[in-house]
Amino acid sequence: SAVISQKPSRDICQRGTSLTIQCQVDSQVTMMFWYRQQPGQSLTLIATANQGSEATYESGFVIDKFPISRPNLTFSTLTVSNMSPEDSSIYLCSVEVARGETQYFGPGTRLLVL
Amino acid sequence: SQQGEEDPQALSIQEGENATMNCSYKTSINNLQWYRQNSGRGLVHLILIRSNEREKHSGRLRVTLDTSKKSSSLLITASRAADTASYFCATDAFSGGYNKLIFGAGTRLAVHP
Repeated sequence: SAVISQKPSRDICQRGTSLTIQCQVDSQVTMMFWYRQQPGQSLTLIATANQGSEATYESGFVIDKFPISRPNLTFSTLTVSNMSPEDSSIYLCSVEVARGETQYFGPGTRLLVL
Repeated sequence: SQQGEEDPQALSIQEGENATMNCSYKTSINNLQWYRQNSGRGLVHLILIRSNEREKHSGRLRVTLDTSKKSSSLLITASRAADTASYFCATDAFSGGYNKLIFGAGTRLAVHP
């Protein structure tokens, strides 16, 4: 298994600003993922954070809006840029300990944009 | 796009009763996972079932998988108020050398004392 922490746990931000969310895992993992969960909805994959290379984004998500860093095998950040109220969501990171195996999720960051 | 569809969307039962949630998906999978989410918090992993497995148990949880029907079910026996949560199925999709999860819409379970 893996223990994952996220910072901040929640935040209230003004539109037009940016917020960087941190994800820390207690062991080295190859794959880290970022998901968004809009209010009352299911989870949607934003991107896969690859160590040593650019993130791979899913359809509908772009690097300018959601830049991601992955400086090492235990840490990643997701920035939500130029925020609008539509960005109000829970953002979750997850890790895959081994290919094709269980993905473990962090506690999430609850973001409210006013 | 969402691959998994779950039903029911919401389920309300009394403590002690069993709860059954269903998940259907569209494409071939390697495995299917069930997660629980309490009140907008992080996801807790419940069970992973592989495409060559038909049934798996963990405590009061029983998961079945029918790949011919592209469907899975999660049964919670002898439910408790603490089981109140949203339950999601997630199927894997290998793409670009990594395994990404595609989540169903989820079932909101309410267990009343």
